[in-house]
Formats: sequence, structure tokens, C-alpha cells
Amino acid sequence: KAGVTQTPRYLIKTRGQQVTLSCSPISGHRSVSWYQQTPGQGLQFLFEYFSETQRNKGNFPGRFSGRQFSNSRSEMNVSTLELGDSALYLCASSLVGTGGYEQYFGPGTRLTVT
Amino acid sequence: AQKITQTQPGMFVQEKEAVTLDCTYDTSDPSYGLFWYKQPSSGEMIFLIYQGSYDQQNATEGRYSLNFQKARKSANLVISASQLGDSAMYFCALKMDTGRRALTFGSGTRLQVQP
Repeated sequence: KAGVTQTPRYLIKTRGQQVTLSCSPISGHRSVSWYQQTPGQGLQFLFEYFSETQRNKGNFPGRFSGRQFSNSRSEMNVSTLELGDSALYLCASSLVGTGGYEQYFGPGTRLTVT
Repeated sequence: AQKITQTQPGMFVQEKEAVTLDCTYDTSDPSYGLFWYKQPSSGEMIFLIYQGSYDQQNATEGRYSLNFQKARKSANLVISASQLGDSAMYFCALKMDTGRRALTFGSGTRLQVQP
């Protein structure tokens, strides 16, 4: 069974640009969560999607948005990039949005904003 | 609000020895789950072990065991017979069973296994 895949793996963008990251969950998993990891703030929850609906959202500005498609693939978008958005963005999928406990993470997308 | 505390920024252990990584948590909810993840330098978070708040027995998964002391709100990870490949960052995480179900992570412990 294929694991969680994230594309691209590495990305370099300039301040003010926007970026879209993609996550394909494990087959059959309908819940996708996104996390940001930085040396200063650690791992922080961005949002969770289940059956194409955003169910939970972390404390991030509106520049961070996401969506989920009918095949459970998810994208997150960051507009008007800032230097502080440089981070490893991790996506995690789980079998169900409630009750199921294991969250499987992808390899992450490392975003560098210059 | 939930909080996870990992007080050991770094740990060293000799190959083949056991090591305990500390984790304490804070939540007022009675129903929750505790997780440990391993993050090698490649960046991927690898699920190691899970403990539910109502589980009576401590969780074990191969060389990993979770020393769960509910009254003390601690969920320490014990790695037996350390291997060089165990060198990585280790994160403890808390997930509520109701409300927002996102993982709340601790700051991590960097474990280095020495030959």
C-alpha cells in the first residue's frame, strides 16, 4: 500500500508570491491534516479536511488556505508569502476523521521563502 | 487548552542499552490519545506507538513501550536495545477524542545512539 505522498518535496519562492502544496493520502483514508514545522515554533496544526470539508483550523492567518477533492487529495495554498513561512509542511492522513487514531505522515514539502 | 512538555532537548545512549524519553501533558478532557513519532533527518514523521486515555495496559510495539502514568499525566517512551538507526528526533503528541482532533506536539527530544 502506497504511503502518503507530497509534492513538490522542495520549493523556493520569493516574498509576495503564492504557493500550492499537494498531498495524496493513503488509499481509503478520507481525513487529511496539515502541519507546519519550524525551528522556532515547532510543529503546529494548520487545518484538517474530511470528506471535502474543513473540520478544524489552527491559529494561522487567512493567507493559509486549503481544500480537499473528492478523491481525498488535498492542497494547501499560501498567498503573499513571508520569510517566516519558510518551513517543512507535513501532511497526515488517517482512516477516519473521528475515532481512528493513527495519523500517517508524508515526507513533507520544504518551503524556502527568500 | 492542551499542552505537551518534553524536557529533554537531547539524549545520548549507548548502542544496545535502553533509554527513556520523557513526556508530560496537560488536558482537562477525560478522553484523549497520546502518540510518539520518530523524525529522522529526512523529515518524515514515523508513527511509533499510541496510548488511549482509557487503556488499562501500557502500549507496546516491538522495542517501543509507553510508560503511561495517568495520575501524573506522563507518557514516557522507552526504547529497549537501542540501535544506531534509532538516532532521530522524537516527538510526543496529544490528540483529543472530542472537539478539535488535531495533534498537539511537544518540542521534541533529539536522541543520539553511540556505538
